[in-house]
Amino acid sequence: SQQGEEDPQALSIQEGENATMNCSYKTSINNLQWYRQNSGRGLVHLILIRSNEREKHSGRLRVTLDTSKKSSSLLITASRAADTASYFCATAPRSEKLVFGKGTKLTVNP
Amino acid sequence: AAGVIQSPRHLIKEKRETATLKCYPIPRHDTVYWYQQGPGQDPQFLISFYEKMQSDKGSIPDRFSAQQFSDYHSELNMSSLELGDSALYFCASSLTLYQETQYFGPGTRLLVL
Repeated sequence: SQQGEEDPQALSIQEGENATMNCSYKTSINNLQWYRQNSGRGLVHLILIRSNEREKHSGRLRVTLDTSKKSSSLLITASRAADTASYFCATAPRSEKLVFGKGTKLTVNP
Repeated sequence: AAGVIQSPRHLIKEKRETATLKCYPIPRHDTVYWYQQGPGQDPQFLISFYEKMQSDKGSIPDRFSAQQFSDYHSELNMSSLELGDSALYFCASSLTLYQETQYFGPGTRLLVL
């Protein structure tokens, strides 16, 4: 079974709007990471949040982590067409291999 | 900055053939991970190596084997290929075993006909 589950599966917004993606996981974690993948391309690391952190910012990205609810959210503010991609959360239950969620496919319309 | 290099980028094979995928980690990274991503799927962990030794194993078929060499590059060998092996194969590297961030290569797209 998947460690991380994202919702929504697909999200379509207009340029300039904010995009929020959610991720839930099942087991205890050391950290949770968000990756971005353009269609059929490699995975780009966006941000890592540790289990003792509640919120983290990086540019237009804001990640929250709620370990009591085993959930995380990724907020992209002032979205751009270039943000169109699939976004995956990944957890490292044993600090080695990453376990990915199903991903959210984000489309930002110009 | 140097990134993870994977070769080949695209590969077409027939059923029952053999394929070898190569991964060159970021310089000074001693840990390598292999992931498989089927069409429309999330990446699935296959196997990892730290300092040339296997460190963890995931859902890797017995038909597949991998190793890490003295220069830290890694090769994934896939034999008796099946149609279902068609996927994107990613290699990732990290600075060391418990370094949290994994840096992914561009992937090798394997098509089995």
